[in-house]
Amino acid sequence: QQPVQSPQAVILREGEDAVINCSSSKALYSVHWYRQKHGEAPVFLMILLKGGEQKGHDKISASFNEKKQQSSLYLTASQLSYSGTYFCGTASNAGNNRKLIWGLGTSLAVNP
Amino acid sequence: DAGVTQSPTHLIKTRGQHVTLRCSPISGHKSVSWYQQVLGQGPQFIFQYYEKEERGRGNFPDRFSARQFPNYSSELNVNALLLGDSALYLCASRASSGANVLTFGAGSRLTVL
Repeated sequence: QQPVQSPQAVILREGEDAVINCSSSKALYSVHWYRQKHGEAPVFLMILLKGGEQKGHDKISASFNEKKQQSSLYLTASQLSYSGTYFCGTASNAGNNRKLIWGLGTSLAVNP
Repeated sequence: DAGVTQSPTHLIKTRGQHVTLRCSPISGHKSVSWYQQVLGQGPQFIFQYYEKEERGRGNFPDRFSARQFPNYSSELNVNALLLGDSALYLCASRASSGANVLTFGAGSRLTVL
C-alpha cells in the first residue's frame, strides 16, 4: 500500500528540469508533496485532490492522474535550494487524510 | 509566530528504558500528529490527536502511547525501548482535524543502544 516513488535519486545541474513520480496500487483521494532538507523537518509543497487537477508553486508544479493512481512533481529550471528529499504522501479517502501513507522519498541534488 | 517545537532534539537511551517526547503545536492548531522516520525512509504515522482525543492510530505496538493536553501540546511515550525504535520522531500540527496541511517540527532524534 505504500506508494512507490521514482526515481530514487536524481542529480541535476542548476537550471535543469526533473520529474518525480508517485504511484499507488490503491485508488487515491489525495496526494501530498513535501520536501525535507537534511537534518530539517519536512516542508509542505502542495496537495492534489482527485479530479486530475494540476497545481503550481513558483517553478514547481504537480499533476494527479486519478485513473493511473499516480502523481508527478515537476521541477523546472532547478535552483540550488531545490536540493533535498521529496516525499509523497497518499490518502485513499478524505477520512484517511489524517494518516497519510508516505513513499520512501526521492533524493534530489542540484549542483552549480 | 513560533512553529512546531519539539523537545528534546537528541537523546540516547538503552534497551528497555522508556522515553517521553514533547511537542508544542503552532498557536491555534488543535491537532497534533506523531510520525516515526527511520533513516532513509518516509515518515510512518503513529498517532493523531485532536481536542485531546485520539483520532487515529498507526500500526505500532502498545509500547507506544500518546496524549494531548488542554493547551494542545502533546507527549509521545515509548516503553521498553528496542534497538529498532531508533529514529527521528516528528510531530506535526494542523489547524483542525481534517485540515490538509501538516506543519512539522524539527523532530527528536532517538538513539537506542
